[in-house]
Amino acid sequence: EDKVVQSPLSLVVHEGDTVTLNCSYEVTNFRSLLWYKQEKKAPTFLFMLTSSGIEKKSGRLSSILDKKELFSILNITATQTGDSAVYLCVRVGNNDMRFGAGTRLTVKP
Amino acid sequence: NAGVTQTPKFQVLKTGQSMTLQCAQDMNHEYMSWYRQDPGMGLRLIHYSVGAGITDQGEVPNGYNVSRSTTEDFPLRLLSAAPSQTSVYFCASSYIRGPGNTIYFGEGSWLTVV
Repeated sequence: EDKVVQSPLSLVVHEGDTVTLNCSYEVTNFRSLLWYKQEKKAPTFLFMLTSSGIEKKSGRLSSILDKKELFSILNITATQTGDSAVYLCVRVGNNDMRFGAGTRLTVKP
Repeated sequence: NAGVTQTPKFQVLKTGQSMTLQCAQDMNHEYMSWYRQDPGMGLRLIHYSVGAGITDQGEVPNGYNVSRSTTEDFPLRLLSAAPSQTSVYFCASSYIRGPGNTIYFGEGSWLTVV
């Protein structure tokens, strides 16, 4: 069964810290990897990654994909309390999508 | 363009009752799916569809049925509700062709089975 594994499952940091969230996947029938942020309702889109080694950036968030080693990382610099959320990664295959369990990030003032 | 419309938003069921969660999208997406999210956990795939007339099971299909008679609609049926099905349910859709596409989510349905 192809799995998407995120680590850590939970992370508590203080404002201003930098965090790195990890996502690894097993299947090789791969089209893209997506990152989402989920607060209280439906997940909201952050990044879509299709090519290895090309960093996507949006403000303090950035993400990169390694298709050879089958993983992606999401970096958040200078964290703020508003970054507290569950971060989900999704592996998009040819005919299905699989979510990781998510990383619950808590940013304390 | 309404995106993904999911109803009802909240529902309380008694054990053994049946109900249908509705999901509709107006973006002509081939791919539609249902997920459940339990407290403190990620999204788990229940069923998915890659086009009208085609459905398949995900990770946790037991106790649920789906159908895809049209491209737009993908209802999820609980056949005989159990307390273990208390969860938040999300419907999602996307294009399936091309290098990879954003997933669009419904707003979620909070279901409680008592």
